[in-house]
Amino acid sequence: GQSLEQPSEVTAVEGAIVQINCTYQTSGFYGLSWYQQHDGGAPTFLSYNALDGLEETGRFSSFLSRSDSYGYLLLQELQMKDSASYFCASTGGSYIPTFGRGTSLIVHP
Amino acid sequence: DGGITQSPKYLFRKEGQNVTLSCEQNLNHDAMYWYRQDPGQGLRLIYYSQIVNDFQKGDIAEGYSVSREKKESFPLTVTSAQKNPTAFYLCASRPGRASSSDTQYFGPGTRLTVL
Repeated sequence: GQSLEQPSEVTAVEGAIVQINCTYQTSGFYGLSWYQQHDGGAPTFLSYNALDGLEETGRFSSFLSRSDSYGYLLLQELQMKDSASYFCASTGGSYIPTFGRGTSLIVHP
Repeated sequence: DGGITQSPKYLFRKEGQNVTLSCEQNLNHDAMYWYRQDPGQGLRLIYYSQIVNDFQKGDIAEGYSVSREKKESFPLTVTSAQKNPTAFYLCASRPGRASSSDTQYFGPGTRLTVL
């Protein structure tokens, strides 16, 4: 089976750095993805890690440690528009992704 | 513009009625997925299709049905057997098993309300 754990809510102030953690239990683990979803909208892809290490895309970075079954999304220079839900999703050998329950990020001025 | 579309955006249904949600993609993707999202919850997989004319049940398939007669289209029918159908329904597509990308592309969603 597959399951992912991530915090339900994280708060931070504008300009700060925030890290959203994700631990997973996935049979035949293939990779870990991150998605952003604003209220009422569809999830949009942010980042993907198949190998250990850090992937950087602008203000967002994602990290994976396969040996620890752990990853995180790092958001830098937070902006009000970053307030959204963030989902980690793992893909196993069946190529069927499983999503975590999501982390609600609240950015305060 | 390539993308994935869903219609309608909002849908109201009376109890006991079947309703079909549309999902179309012009990304030439092999794999398509249907998810259900309830308030404050993650995405739960209803059905998926890796290739035309083939589909598989996901974690919560009871009360739902799908078809995949064309690569571009993956409609979802919510039947009267689904006891609690009010939710936000998301369709997604992905290039397929042969792709090195794990990215899923989502449609804008259909919000279904049962009256």
